[in-house]
Amino acid sequence: DAKTTQPTSMDCAEGRAANLPCNHSTISGNEYVYWYRQIHSQGPQYIIHGLKNNETNEMASLIITEDRKSSTLILPHATLRDTAVYYCIVMRRRGGSEKLVFGKGTKLTVNP
Amino acid sequence: EAQVTQNPRYLITVTGKKLTVTCSQNMNHEYMSWYRQDPGLGLRQIYYSMNVEVTDKGDVPEGYKVSRKEKRNFPLILESPSPNQTSLYFCASSSGGQGPGEQYFGPGTRLTVT
Repeated sequence: DAKTTQPTSMDCAEGRAANLPCNHSTISGNEYVYWYRQIHSQGPQYIIHGLKNNETNEMASLIITEDRKSSTLILPHATLRDTAVYYCIVMRRRGGSEKLVFGKGTKLTVNP
Repeated sequence: EAQVTQNPRYLITVTGKKLTVTCSQNMNHEYMSWYRQDPGLGLRQIYYSMNVEVTDKGDVPEGYKVSRKEKRNFPLILESPSPNQTSLYFCASSSGGQGPGEQYFGPGTRLTVT
């Protein structure tokens, strides 16, 4: 699985968009980008995933660059409850032994 | 409500006393897995199961056992717990059709072994 690089921490004002970057320069053609978050020792929560097209759901948007070497998770209107560690993970979608490999993630703090 | 449940949520035990942490999901998911989370080491996979009666080792399986006799349950067994197994444990599941990338996690079990 490709490695990912994320900033250690970020701050965002409540109500503003939070843009969380992730670099995955060695991503393979059949690897997806997944985003999870973990709110203070709760179980990680799946947010969104994508292959090459931009994706949007009720939680967030995922923007993947054309060369697929980086992506950005966008929380359009961050709230205090979005304060969490956000993990960017790259892996194939199916197969025998694929697994989520959680790095250190980005600690996002949403400030009032 | 679709969910993954774990029991107990908190457990303090002594070295060598066998224990089982239960995990159950109500989403008819084929894939289930166990993780442990430790400060500075992040989340690491212990065991996973692609389907009933199919289990395999993750990254840190030593000292743990699992079984998958039915689709909904995936218990984690510590036959002889040791203090280095003090950790926060998470169970997770996902649909076989979606692959292991989209996992639903349980609330966690905080285990302390003295």
